[in-house]
Amino acid sequence: TQLLEQSPQFLSIQEGENLTVYCNSSSVFSSLQWYRQEPGEGPVLLVTVVTGGEVKKLKRLTFQFGDARKDSSLHITAAQPGDTGLYLCALREAQKVTFGIGTKLQVIP
Amino acid sequence: KAGVTQTPRYLIKTRGQQVTLSCSPISGHRSVSWYQQTPGQGLQFLFEYFSETQRNKGNFPGRFSGRQFSNSRSEMNVSTLELGDSALYLCASSVRQGWNEQYFGPGTRLTVT
Repeated sequence: TQLLEQSPQFLSIQEGENLTVYCNSSSVFSSLQWYRQEPGEGPVLLVTVVTGGEVKKLKRLTFQFGDARKDSSLHITAAQPGDTGLYLCALREAQKVTFGIGTKLQVIP
Repeated sequence: KAGVTQTPRYLIKTRGQQVTLSCSPISGHRSVSWYQQTPGQGLQFLFEYFSETQRNKGNFPGRFSGRQFSNSRSEMNVSTLELGDSALYLCASSVRQGWNEQYFGPGTRLTVT
């Protein structure tokens, strides 16, 4: 079973700061998705990365897929209180979906 | 277009009872997946249904079962509830089976006492 590790598990920062969260797999994967989940809601898909070395941007969020296809990162520039939430990475292997445990981000105004 | 709806949103049950949760997918979506989310284990895949057939299953005991109806609505059943079944149960719908964009509902918060 492929394992996904996310770090850090908790992050509390001031509004306007930059941050990076990481997602690492025990083996190579073909594609990976990032989600954000707010309290009381289900996860919402942010992006899917499929190509090694790929970089995708979504406003202040930058997603990178490692060259070796075993890791991914999410960088947030000038964090806002609205970025607060649980950030999850997920991959699919043999028809089963595996999620990381997530990074809980709190942005303090 | 209405999103994924789940009912009920909150539920309290006693150990040993059974429970049925409901999920209505986005109109036109034919695949429904179920997940269990707990603080310690995170989001874990339960099963996926497509065209009324279970297509994939996670590593959960047989007490967890589900079904999908012809209108794509899905139900999940847990029998002989245990304290460890307390969790947020999420369903997600997508247009077709497989690895594609999933839309999650808000979840059902189940507490077993």
